[in-house]
Amino acid sequence: AQTVTQSQPEMSVQEAETVTLSCTYDTSESDYYLFWYKQPPSRQMILVIRQEAYKQQNATENRFSVNFQKAAKSFSLKISDSQLGDAAMYFCAYRQGAQKLVFGQGTRLTINP
Amino acid sequence: EPEVTQTPSHQVTQMGQEVILRCVPISNHLYFYWYRQILGQKVEFLVSFYNNEISEKSEIFDDQFSVERPDGSNFTLKIRSTKLEDSAMYFCASIRQENEKLFFGSGTQLSVL
Repeated sequence: AQTVTQSQPEMSVQEAETVTLSCTYDTSESDYYLFWYKQPPSRQMILVIRQEAYKQQNATENRFSVNFQKAAKSFSLKISDSQLGDAAMYFCAYRQGAQKLVFGQGTRLTINP
Repeated sequence: EPEVTQTPSHQVTQMGQEVILRCVPISNHLYFYWYRQILGQKVEFLVSFYNNEISEKSEIFDDQFSVERPDGSNFTLKIRSTKLEDSAMYFCASIRQENEKLFFGSGTQLSVL
């Protein structure tokens, strides 16, 4: 069964600095998708970024980028120029095709002004 | 952007009562899901639904749970006899096809007293 592990329950960063959230996963499949979701206090699930496993190029979305290491099964999220609005729970997730999303345990990110 | 709509946003019920959580997925979507998140924990998969039948369910989705798509637009989750441990945020999600973005609803917070 696929598993997703986030080893950092909490992280904090100074406003305007850069922070990296870690995620590892386990799968025997070669074709899948990886995601980072943001969950603010409202508890809405907001897609931050997604990566297709067949793409070697790391995905980027404005201040958010990933470091996807397929062989190492690692998928970290880098947030540049951190802003107060980035404070939230961040979940890493795995999906194969239209199957279920498998989530990690989450990392609570605090932004210090 | 299209939205998945969930009602109610909050539901309070007594232990042992039946509850129905309602979702209206995006109209041309084909795959539907329910997830739940106990406060402070990760998001857990409950069930997926495709072509008018359950395609996958988790161990959590026992005989007390059922899903229906009664009229081609609504997608409901029923809990027959609620327990205290069913208290959680329940998220509905949908996707049109497997390589596309998964859309989450804003969730129903269920409190079982």
